[in-house]
Amino acid sequence: QKEVEQDPGPLSVPEGAIVSLNCTYSNSAFQYFMWYRQYSRKGPELLMYTYSSGNKEDGRFTAQVDKSSKYISLFIRDSQPSDSATYLCAMSPGNTPLVFGKGTRLSVIA
Amino acid sequence: GAGVSQTPSNKVTEKGKYVELRCDPISGHTALYWYRQSLGQGPEFLIYFQGTGAADDSGLPNDRFFAVRPEGSVSTLKIQRTERGDSAVYLCASSRQPGVNTEAFFGQGTRLTVV
Repeated sequence: QKEVEQDPGPLSVPEGAIVSLNCTYSNSAFQYFMWYRQYSRKGPELLMYTYSSGNKEDGRFTAQVDKSSKYISLFIRDSQPSDSATYLCAMSPGNTPLVFGKGTRLSVIA
Repeated sequence: GAGVSQTPSNKVTEKGKYVELRCDPISGHTALYWYRQSLGQGPEFLIYFQGTGAADDSGLPNDRFFAVRPEGSVSTLKIQRTERGDSAVYLCASSRQPGVNTEAFFGQGTRLTVV
């Protein structure tokens, strides 16, 4: 079992839909949780960063961490065609480099 | 520069050859990371520099891979005796300080193809 599991998709939704992206993990030492967005042939860019459990909201994006279930989520409200990208979850205990999921490819159809 | 710059953007090489991939981090960033991203996978950690020294090289797959950062700025990832399995996008990232709670900015990557 990989440390971080993420469904690669692809996921296709109509414009305006709410998107839910998820990752599960096995290492209970993970404390830092990130979501990155990666457009085709570009490097990943940081979208959301959460420490430990809880929710964090930034505009149309909400990140949730449930450490008891070892499950993290990213919600995108009012999705736009410009949100079409690969979304990568990443996590770390804090003293070691990030471990990334495979990424979920999202297409938002106008 | 404004962002992390990686050169070349694409590299095609023959099996068995030696390649060097260059990363110019954001000015003033002390931490520099190399990752490898294979098709359909997330980035996989290779090596991390704090200043000039490799703070963690546990992700390097074998001794054909080596990286340097002699002056604490530009870094070069070197791959000897390339194999077809080395084909991937090699990503570099830098951050102002080490640690996962400091945002790391990624370059666009070097797409390496070994034929």
